[in-house]
Amino acid sequence: EPEVTQTPSHQVTQMGQEVILRCVPISNHLYFYWYRQILGQKVEFLVSFYNNEISEKSEIFDDQFSVERPDGSNFTLKIRSTKLEDSAMYFCASSELVPEAFFGQGTRLTVV
Amino acid sequence: AQKVTQAQTEISVVEKEDVTLDCVYETRDTTYYLFWYKQPPSGELVFLIRRNSFDEQNEISGRYSWNFQKSTSSFNFTITASQVVDSAVYFCALSEGSWTDKLIFGTGTRLQVFP
Repeated sequence: EPEVTQTPSHQVTQMGQEVILRCVPISNHLYFYWYRQILGQKVEFLVSFYNNEISEKSEIFDDQFSVERPDGSNFTLKIRSTKLEDSAMYFCASSELVPEAFFGQGTRLTVV
Repeated sequence: AQKVTQAQTEISVVEKEDVTLDCVYETRDTTYYLFWYKQPPSGELVFLIRRNSFDEQNEISGRYSWNFQKSTSSFNFTITASQVVDSAVYFCALSEGSWTDKLIFGTGTRLQVFP
C-alpha cells in the first residue's frame, strides 16, 4: 500500500539553526500539507500546498517557515532559525480526492 | 468558526469492556467531513474513518463503530470488547470541504486498556 514517507524520523538541532524536514507524498496525490504536534497536545495545521503554491497557512506558519516541492517527488518544510518552541512532531500529509489526508509517520524535531 | 471538542482527556478501562469516545464539532458549513485517527505510542497517525455530512448512517468495522448525529453535532466512536492494543490517543477531526481541506483536530482522548 502506498504511503507517505518522512525523513528523518528524529532530528536534534541547536537553537538558531536551519532545518529541513523532508517528505515523499504518495505519487499521484496533488495536495500536500504540514501539521505540527507539540508533545502531548493536539495536531495543528501549518500549511497546505497545491499546484506549486501555498493554498493556505495558519498563523503558526510565519516567516521562519517555508515549503517547497523541489522536484516531482519531495515536499519539504524549512525552518530558518529554529526556536525552542519549534520542538514538536511534524507530520506531512498528502491527498488526492480531497479531503482525505494520508499522514507520514512524522519527524520529531528537538531544538536544544 | 470550526471547532472540535473531545471532552474526555483520558479514559481507562479493563480489557473486554466497551468504551465510547465522544466528539462534538462546530461548523457553519453544510458540507463537511469528520474523521477519527488513532495515535499509538509509536507516534504515527493512523486513519480510522471518514464521514461526510450527508451520510448519517452509522458504521461498524469489526470491533469499531461510529455514531454520527447531526442533530447534536456529534461523531462518537465506540470500541467493543476493548483490547490492550487499543491503547492510544484518539483524535477526532473536521474538514469543511474547503479548497484546502485542512483538518481541524480535537485535543484527543487517551485510552488506556488494562489487562
